[in-house]
Amino acid sequence: GENVEQHPSTLSVQEGDSAVIKCTYSDSASNYFPWYKQELGKGPQLIIDIRSNVGEKKDQRIAVTLNKTAKHFSLHITETQPEDSAVYFCAASRRGDGGFKTIFGAGTRLFVKA
Amino acid sequence: DGGITQSPKYLFRKEGQNVTLSCEQNLNHDAMYWYRQDPGQGLRLIYYSQIVNDFQKGDIAEGYSVSREKKESFPLTVTSAQKNPTAFYLCASTGQGSSGNTIYFGEGSWLTVV
Repeated sequence: GENVEQHPSTLSVQEGDSAVIKCTYSDSASNYFPWYKQELGKGPQLIIDIRSNVGEKKDQRIAVTLNKTAKHFSLHITETQPEDSAVYFCAASRRGDGGFKTIFGAGTRLFVKA
Repeated sequence: DGGITQSPKYLFRKEGQNVTLSCEQNLNHDAMYWYRQDPGQGLRLIYYSQIVNDFQKGDIAEGYSVSREKKESFPLTVTSAQKNPTAFYLCASTGQGSSGNTIYFGEGSWLTVV
């Protein structure tokens, strides 16, 4: 069936460095790719998203790139800060029968060391 | 403020008991979802509802039940048939239109079997 693979599962960086998380999806009909940040004991919060008609989107220190041909998309965080430490989830979504079908990656635990 | 409210935040269940988790949204969203998250794991879909008085099973519906009598409310009952219910439960919703596949999450409910 359809799936989303996310790598790495754990990522540790020094404060100020960049962090990159990569996802690969299998359903070529997917056209919407959100990224969520989940802090301990809380619900995931949408931090950035991209639709299939663009290849890159940036919001301050966060950027997402999409390669539809290769079915890859990535999250880039620059100038990381300790408060960026969290679990990050990618997802791939498309319209399905009766609504939208969204599949999540398994998550990446990011540690930013001060 | 608009959002999704889950209650209780923490719940303890004895063996053989049914418990119900509440989810209320004031976003005027048509679709609502329940996900289960085990420690260090991703999100698994339990049930979803695209419209009032209608709902469908997700990937792990066994041992759970839901109702959707009102647009704003989508309670989840964890029945005694669910053999391993200890987990973090997330309620979510999606709206309409071009952003209809953006998922908004509540803050989650922790369920522990004692």
